[in-house]
Amino acid sequence: QLQLQESGPGLVKPSETLSLTCTVSGGSISSSTYYWGWIRQPPGKGLEWIGSVSYSGSTYYNPSLKSRVTISVDMSKNQFSLKVSSVTAADTAVYYCARHRSVTRDAFDIWGQGTMVAVSS
Amino acid sequence: QSVLTQPPSVSGAPGQRVTISCTGSSSNIGAGFDVHWYQQLPGTAPQLLISDNTNRPSGVPDRFSGSKSGTSASLAITGLQAEDEADYYCQSYDSSLSGRVFGGGTKLTVL
Repeated sequence: QLQLQESGPGLVKPSETLSLTCTVSGGSISSSTYYWGWIRQPPGKGLEWIGSVSYSGSTYYNPSLKSRVTISVDMSKNQFSLKVSSVTAADTAVYYCARHRSVTRDAFDIWGQGTMVAVSS
Repeated sequence: QSVLTQPPSVSGAPGQRVTISCTGSSSNIGAGFDVHWYQQLPGTAPQLLISDNTNRPSGVPDRFSGSKSGTSASLAITGLQAEDEADYYCQSYDSSLSGRVFGGGTKLTVL
């Protein structure tokens, strides 16, 4: 059974870069069928899609975050990663990784448990 | 302000039926993009509840159902149970924003 697990620092200083990794187990990230995405949820607030990457490295991002976000895939490690630059307190959130099948359609069908990242000096 | 609009909260007594609406526009739901629903139990990650407007993934009780019409979608829960108390989110794709969008979420309280 496919599982996703987020990992990375729980605390990042303002203006620095937030870096997270999602490890895929129980299946291969190199399937052409799927995209791999990041979603975040600020404390007490709703969900926000950040962006997604395909196995081949094609990416698409939320326009509101695009200038600060990079998502990449490492097939050798069965992982994909998120970087958010120039972070502020507004980037404090639980960050989830999730799988979906297509760019525009299909649901996020498998989610990681999430990892909390706080931005603070 | 979310692209997809949901009521902040709904409530119902055990055994009753409740519905949660998700209102979009001509660039998302009205453009024919599918609507998906997620259930987020307290302190946990969201889980897929309804996909492609009406489909229940394996393991989801048939008390949960989805529908879509025009620029809106709805999630219905019949035979409310205490364990249904959670936050519910709708999600679709928006062609104007060129990205996936979520509703603001609805908190369901079982009285």
